[in-house]
Amino acid sequence: NAGVTQTPKFQVLKTGQSMTLQCAQDMNHEYMSWYRQDPGMGLRLIHYSVGAGITDQGEVPNGYNVSRSTTEDFPLRLLSAAPSQTSVYFCASSYGRYQPQHFGDGTRLSIL
Amino acid sequence: AQKITQTQPGMFVQEKEAVTLDCTYDTSDQSYGLFWYKQPSSGEMIFLIYQGSYDEQNATEGRYSLNFQKARKSANLVISASQLGDSAMYFCAMREGRDKLIFGTGTRLQVFP
Repeated sequence: NAGVTQTPKFQVLKTGQSMTLQCAQDMNHEYMSWYRQDPGMGLRLIHYSVGAGITDQGEVPNGYNVSRSTTEDFPLRLLSAAPSQTSVYFCASSYGRYQPQHFGDGTRLSIL
Repeated sequence: AQKITQTQPGMFVQEKEAVTLDCTYDTSDQSYGLFWYKQPSSGEMIFLIYQGSYDEQNATEGRYSLNFQKARKSANLVISASQLGDSAMYFCAMREGRDKLIFGTGTRLQVFP
């Protein structure tokens, strides 16, 4: 089972560049989320989705866009990268609201 | 206001001893879920245990148990018989409202021989 797959694992960007972090799951989970993890701050929710075509904002949505055209995929787009977006990004999915989330391995993103 | 509070930035425990990691939460919802995750140095997030707000019994999963005190809004993780492999960051999280999962800042546990 692939579970939750994130690509790329590492990325370095220059300020102002845009890019898309990919997330795919093969478990037919309705719920998908994006988090960022910064030292000393735990994981913070960026955006989440409760099903195809439905997305909503989390705690720290500014500077990020998402879409959910299929159940399997939930890409995260950085519109104009800033050094403050240097972080480790995790994608997660779950079958239901009170089911444990399955996490991808993370994407380590550095913005210069 | 902080939704999930983990007051212990770091904890030490000797191998084979039990350890309790604290977590308090804040919510006005009647229905919510509490989770604990482990993050080893390799970086992956590993689900450990879940407690629903309506569950009357404390959740247990092997060496992990959740000491759920609803009136005090606490959901402490108890690890019995600690092992060296338990050394990791531990995160408490709460799912409330429309599917948001909110994490605490974590506790770094170090198990020594």
